Amino acid sequence: DTAVSQTPKYLVTQMGNDKSIKCEQNLGHDTMYWYKQDSKKFLKIMFSYNNKELIINETVPNRFSPKSPDKAHLNLHINSLELGDSAVYFCASSHGVSYGYTFGSGTRLTVV
Amino acid sequence: AQTVTQSQPEMSVQEAETVTLSCTYDTSENNYYLFWYKQPPSRQMILVIRQEAYKQQNATENRFSVNFQKAAKSFSLKISDSQLGDTAMYFCAFIYGNQGGKLIFGQGTELSVKP
Repeated sequence: DTAVSQTPKYLVTQMGNDKSIKCEQNLGHDTMYWYKQDSKKFLKIMFSYNNKELIINETVPNRFSPKSPDKAHLNLHINSLELGDSAVYFCASSHGVSYGYTFGSGTRLTVV
Repeated sequence: AQTVTQSQPEMSVQEAETVTLSCTYDTSENNYYLFWYKQPPSRQMILVIRQEAYKQQNATENRFSVNFQKAAKSFSLKISDSQLGDTAMYFCAFIYGNQGGKLIFGQGTELSVKP
């Protein structure tokens, strides 16, 4: 069983479209995250949810909206996609800060 | 603000040799945790090793060990007996606080192990 699973793994879409990335974890962790990895491989946090409550919201355009229906799921919806949104998006979860995060396998989003 | 710096964008090492990747960080916190993550070409982020700042003893995981210098805010990773499968991007990361603290990453070091 995959601990943190993201779907889809690859997403190619046109500018202006709306798309969603889904994430599920079966580790029983309370906290989930979305990270963006840019073309230079730099990883930056976007959002964090703890028990369905938003606790971190970095400077991210309003076109990005996370949704957590329960503590095992954190989805990312992106409206009006732009070329600059092309990146790898990682979902992660954690049980306290001391153990680090467990990451999903990433979603490569390409906007054309 | 907390920052993590990896000053070596790329490194290479011969198979079976030892290599050290550098990482420095900046924080005013006293209790925090440091990590090294590996990202092979498969893209998966894999936790390699972790260090608790309040522990003076350096962490070791098989061929991977760290040199943690708290006063110097330095956290280097040593890979012994390098293997071809160690070829990957390596990220140093820092976290503090309680539940929901954010993991802050360095820029990464791309390591190539040559046969």
